[in-house]
Amino acid sequence: SQTIHQWPATLVQPVGSPLSLECTVEGTSNPNLYWYRQAAGRGLQLLFYSVGIGQISSEVPQNLSASRPQDRQFILSSKKLLLSDSGFYLCAGTEPAGMFGANVLTFGAGSRLTVL
Amino acid sequence: AQKITQTQPGMFVQEKEAVTLDCTYDTSDQSYGLFWYKQPSSGEMIFLIYQGSYDEQNATEGRYSLNFQKARKSANLVISASQLGDSAMYFCAMREGRWTGRRALTFGSGTRLQVQP
Repeated sequence: SQTIHQWPATLVQPVGSPLSLECTVEGTSNPNLYWYRQAAGRGLQLLFYSVGIGQISSEVPQNLSASRPQDRQFILSSKKLLLSDSGFYLCAGTEPAGMFGANVLTFGAGSRLTVL
Repeated sequence: AQKITQTQPGMFVQEKEAVTLDCTYDTSDQSYGLFWYKQPSSGEMIFLIYQGSYDEQNATEGRYSLNFQKARKSANLVISASQLGDSAMYFCAMREGRWTGRRALTFGSGTRLQVQP
């Protein structure tokens, strides 16, 4: 089964500083990978997804970018953070093959970002 | 329009009682999947149960069951014999877009369940 590792767990950054959140996957090859953001007390918003190395799709125009330099590595970045980037960021993955509907999305433990 | 609607921001239930968390969805796809996740205060997302659009029987996983009413586009989660550890946020989610390879889930806004002793 698949395990998602995500770090750092907590981050406090000033406005205008860069950001790098890293996610790695264990137990699966060629997974689909996702970055979600959760504002306080809200649901999850999909930011980016990737179906393979170098393949990134953006769901929401924003200040953030994503990259997938290796099959099991997914990185969320920003060159200059905004106050509105604060939130809880979750990396998730799913198996690439099998029944369309039944692939469970497995999540990492999350990264809590506070921009001051 | 909202793809996933959870109309109960918060729910209370007594320990050992059953509770139903509501979820309605909106899709024009014939093939889709419905999921429920639990998020404790630690923030991790824990998968609970899955229902496929073509599944004729309601899904069950231990104390969790999914009351799937396709014509009404509802997929309510039923938790039987509530325990204190069930206190958490619960999210309903849907996967659609079979041929796009995207396979992402769209989430509702969640229901906060509090189990009282």
